[in-house]
Amino acid sequence: NAGVMQNPRHLVRRRGQEARLRCSPVKGHSHVYWYRQLPEEGLKFMVYLQKENIIDESGMPKERFSAEFPKEGPSILRIQQVVRGDSAAYFCASSPIAGTGNEQFFGPGTRLTVL
Amino acid sequence: SQQGEEDPQALSIQEGENATMNCSYKTSINNLQWYRQNSGRGLVHLILIRSNEREKHSGRLRVTLDTSKKSSSLLITASRAADTASYFCATAMNRDDKIIFGKGTRLHILP
Repeated sequence: NAGVMQNPRHLVRRRGQEARLRCSPVKGHSHVYWYRQLPEEGLKFMVYLQKENIIDESGMPKERFSAEFPKEGPSILRIQQVVRGDSAAYFCASSPIAGTGNEQFFGPGTRLTVL
Repeated sequence: SQQGEEDPQALSIQEGENATMNCSYKTSINNLQWYRQNSGRGLVHLILIRSNEREKHSGRLRVTLDTSKKSSSLLITASRAADTASYFCATAMNRDDKIIFGKGTRLHILP
């Protein structure tokens, strides 16, 4: 059983470039969540998606950030015109059950460094 | 906004001893979860306890929930070096709501 897969594991971008983070959920899971973690901090919720739908994006900045979970393929978190403050670890999680108040299965994360 | 807050922030104990971590939260919840994160890795789910439950066990883990005090504790018995990690509590106000993580307790097991 493959768990949640994220790639790349490490991503380096210069200020102003775009960052594209990918997440493949556990096979059969149709609910995906993205979180951001700063050093020595807990995870901060960003967005919750089901196939082709954004359910809750209340934790995602309104500008420069977008997320999608297409019918086919991985979920994508896209950060346009990155700034140094975007440097963080971004984690994706999936679950087979609707609603975020359930066990979630986490990927290994993508560590974004903005130079 | 942060809902759960773990205590202590850091804990070092000798291998074989028991480790207790606490989590306090602010509003009523539907459930509370504990996760473990090894350095540089993703989170691993440990236990989910619902608001109508008071105690749950899983192997060497014991979780309690006191809704009147809005607090939970995670006990790891007979600790091992492999238990060294950060432990986070996460709360959900209702079944369909997002889960909110605390800042975690960094546990270090000394050989």
